[in-house]
Amino acid sequence: GNSVTQMEGPVTLSEEAFLTINCTYTATGYPSLFWYVQYPGEGLQLLLKATKADDKGSNKGFEATYRKETTSFHLEKGSVQVSDSAVYFCALSVSGANSKLTFGKGITLSVRP
Amino acid sequence: GAGVSQSPSNKVTEKGKDVELRCDPISGHTALYWYRQRLGQGLEFLIYFQGNSAPDKSGLPSDRFSAERTGGSVSTLTIQRTQQEDSAVYLCASSSSAGGGTDTQYFGPGTRLTVL
Repeated sequence: GNSVTQMEGPVTLSEEAFLTINCTYTATGYPSLFWYVQYPGEGLQLLLKATKADDKGSNKGFEATYRKETTSFHLEKGSVQVSDSAVYFCALSVSGANSKLTFGKGITLSVRP
Repeated sequence: GAGVSQSPSNKVTEKGKDVELRCDPISGHTALYWYRQRLGQGLEFLIYFQGNSAPDKSGLPSDRFSAERTGGSVSTLTIQRTQQEDSAVYLCASSSSAGGGTDTQYFGPGTRLTVL
């Protein structure tokens, strides 16, 4: 079956620190990979995605590269801000009958001034 | 434009009662998904609707759960004889995808269900 594993949280960083959130996956078939973010009091929204190997998704200073050889999609940002405090979910989808998203457990990031 | 809307935003019910949760997808989106997020867990897939096709119910945890989608738009998730383990945030998402797997799913704000 399909599964997504995220590093354990929560994570607390100081503003301007470098961020890495690890994500690895197992999939039957060729998945597309996603990072979703949930800011406090808001709904889940797409942060970035990549649909084939070696693609890099990027948005709001965040980046993640689809690594098929290591089945990974780690999220990085060079300099975090307080406004990046949120819950981050890694997810995959495989084209087929329903293309449902399979999510990791999510990780809470807190950025302090 | 309008996003995915869900109602109610919060629902508190007593064990054994039935509840209905509503989702209004983005206009024109043919795909609609329901997910559940229990405390400390990731999101779990429940059910998928695509156009007028029969729904994929493979994620429903028991026969107490059912869902309908009327006219290819609004969807209702019904939980009968609620149990405490049904307490969770229920999220609806819609997509313009026809099953390609690469398209973005847009999520509603969720309904927080608490079963006492």
